[in-house]
Amino acid sequence: SAVISQKPSRDICQRGTSLTIQCQVDSQVTMMFWYRQQPGQSLTLIATANQGSEATYESGFVIDKFPISRPNLTFSTLTVSNMSPEDSSIYLCSVWANGTPYGYTFGSGTRLTVV
Amino acid sequence: GDSVTQMEGPVTLSEEAFLTINCTYTATGYPSLFWYVQYPGEGLQLLLKATKADDKGSNKGFEATYRKETTSFHLEKGSVQVSDSAVYFCALISRGNDMRFGAGTRLTVKP
Repeated sequence: SAVISQKPSRDICQRGTSLTIQCQVDSQVTMMFWYRQQPGQSLTLIATANQGSEATYESGFVIDKFPISRPNLTFSTLTVSNMSPEDSSIYLCSVWANGTPYGYTFGSGTRLTVV
Repeated sequence: GDSVTQMEGPVTLSEEAFLTINCTYTATGYPSLFWYVQYPGEGLQLLLKATKADDKGSNKGFEATYRKETTSFHLEKGSVQVSDSAVYFCALISRGNDMRFGAGTRLTVKP
């Protein structure tokens, strides 16, 4: 299965600032997703990162707050903009590679704390 | 839309007890179903999966059977260990090809 490198693994940020999280995959993948896991909660899909076009956002998530890039089939970034303490969460990158026998691979996550 | 409903936790068991964590789904068609585990301080790991009705996924002593008639995918283990303490997530692949997760069930196994 694909191997994901997600950076940074954790960060503590000041409110009002922005953080960009990187997701690098060791092989070309069909689909890339970004999830949020708030403290003690399940995973919620933020958006599907589309190569060469705008991401597809889930209800409750907007591009101005969570801009996403995917310039090629192995790399994507998620930016958390104008952060507030409510944005403190784990952010995870997930990929699905065509031909993978069902199931997705998840990055180790970025633990973000906003103070 | 497609969704997963998972048994509320937390669940606390003694070592060697029998474990069941209930999971039911709502979906159009026949989605692939999964159980993921998240150990303290770690990322998500795929525990087992099933891709069609009556399939049984199994791994590390855990089992789950895809039941179309009851739209369920309950997780079971005959004898839990302290090392099984973790959060367990039931999930499916939706029609949009993204993965939808249940709320998660925290399991604590005491010696």
